[in-house]
Amino acid sequence: EVQLVQSGAEVKKPGESLRISCKGSGYTFTSHWITWVRQMPGKGLEWMGRIDPSDSYTNYSPSFQGHVTISADKSISAAYLQWSSLKASDTAMYYCARHPRGSGVFDYWGQGTLVTVSS
Amino acid sequence: SYVLTQPPSVSVAPGQTATITCGGNNIGGKSVHWYQQKPGQAPVLVVYDDSDRPSGIPERFSGSNSGNTATLTISRVEAGDEADFYCQVWDSSSDHPVFGGGTKLTVL
Repeated sequence: EVQLVQSGAEVKKPGESLRISCKGSGYTFTSHWITWVRQMPGKGLEWMGRIDPSDSYTNYSPSFQGHVTISADKSISAAYLQWSSLKASDTAMYYCARHPRGSGVFDYWGQGTLVTVSS
Repeated sequence: SYVLTQPPSVSVAPGQTATITCGGNNIGGKSVHWYQQKPGQAPVLVVYDDSDRPSGIPERFSGSNSGNTATLTISRVEAGDEADFYCQVWDSSSDHPVFGGGTKLTVL
C-alpha cells in the first residue's frame, strides 16, 4: 500500500527555522517526484515546488522560490520542506504528494502538516 | 501564467447530478485532474486524465474535457460527497502544475 506519512504539527515563533518531513512507503521512492502544496486557512491549494528523489533536482514555483528549500534523502525515502526564518504568513497546512514521471497527476497525498507561526 | 477558473460553489439535492466546471484557455488540449477534499482531510484524486477514475472511486464520478471547459460530474449525489473540489493541469510552458480555485459542493 502506497503511503506518504508526514511529520506532526508544529508551533513556531517568527524568525525560527523549521523542517517538516514526508516519508514514502509501499513503492519505489525514486520512481516518482514528490511535490509540496500549501493550503492557507480557508483557502485553496497552492503548488510550492517539487523534487526528484533520484537526484534531488528541484523545481520551485516563483511564488516560493527563495522562501523555502525542498530536499530529499532517498536512503530513507524521505522528502523535506524547510524554512530558515518563518513568518506569521507561513501559517498553513502543508501537504506532500507524489506524481509519476511523465505525468502531472498527484495520485497519493500525505495527511498534511499544520504549521502555526505566532509570537 | 495559465489560469483555471472554477465556480466558488455548487449546490445540489441528494440523488441529483452535480456538475462542476473548470475553465481555461484551450483546456481541451491538456490533461485535467480532479481532487476531492473533505473538511479536515487531505485531497484525494477522483478523476485523472480528463475522465479516468482511480481504483476505489465510485463510477458516479466522471469527467470530460473539451474546448475551454473541463467538467466533473457527480451522479446520484450523496450527503457524503459534500466537499471542496479542485481541478488541476500541468502548464507545460512553465513546467508547473496549476490548480483551480476550488468549488464547494453543498448537498442540500
